[in-house]
Amino acid sequence: EVQLVESGGGLVQPGGSLRLSCAASGFTFSNYWMGWVRQAPGKGLEWVANIKEDGSEKYYVDSVKGRFSISRDNAKNSLFLQMNSLRAEDTAVYFCARVPVHRPFDYWGQGTLVTVSS
Amino acid sequence: DVQMTQSPSSVSASVGDRVTITCRASQGVRSWLAWYQQKPGKAPKLLIYTASTLQSGVPSRFSGSGSGTDFTLTISGLQPEDFATYYCQQADSFPLTFGGGTKVEIK
Repeated sequence: EVQLVESGGGLVQPGGSLRLSCAASGFTFSNYWMGWVRQAPGKGLEWVANIKEDGSEKYYVDSVKGRFSISRDNAKNSLFLQMNSLRAEDTAVYFCARVPVHRPFDYWGQGTLVTVSS
Repeated sequence: DVQMTQSPSSVSASVGDRVTITCRASQGVRSWLAWYQQKPGKAPKLLIYTASTLQSGVPSRFSGSGSGTDFTLTISGLQPEDFATYYCQQADSFPLTFGGGTKVEIK
């Protein structure tokens, strides 16, 4: 059974940093692109970043470029999102998701809440 | 960036009704269009990819059509468990973008 479990969310002050993790199981992690999608309270879905199977390609939404960094550890079946210079508008539930070849996000984690507030 | 516009933003319907949701892309995305269902407090669930391919395990009352810029999600015979919010997403180019969502509510 495919499972994605996010962790690392919490309350952080504006300008602070947070590192999200996503533990994957039930599939060969190194064979899949992975991504992060967020959802601000009461709002719609916003794609944040994707990373290729071997980590050689990374893509970001403009609003997080230069502040967020996506990475992965295939030996530990883990996906990460390092978030720096956090702003109030980054407050959201962050989901990690699997991306099969030629398909969109087919499996999602349950999400982890990030709150940026003083 | 490709802007995705969904309509309507909400719809009230009864069990058994046929519901149609549309999604328009600001530029052509070929058939790289997906539909998701999301219930409150839950992660989105993939329903349809490449515009019309049903994800494994999704009931056949869900169907998708379209290509280029105009797409449709149809639910034929609405069931109680279908009351949720639906999102389209283009997967043709980065940045990936979602529509604003359509909330299907009970009439």
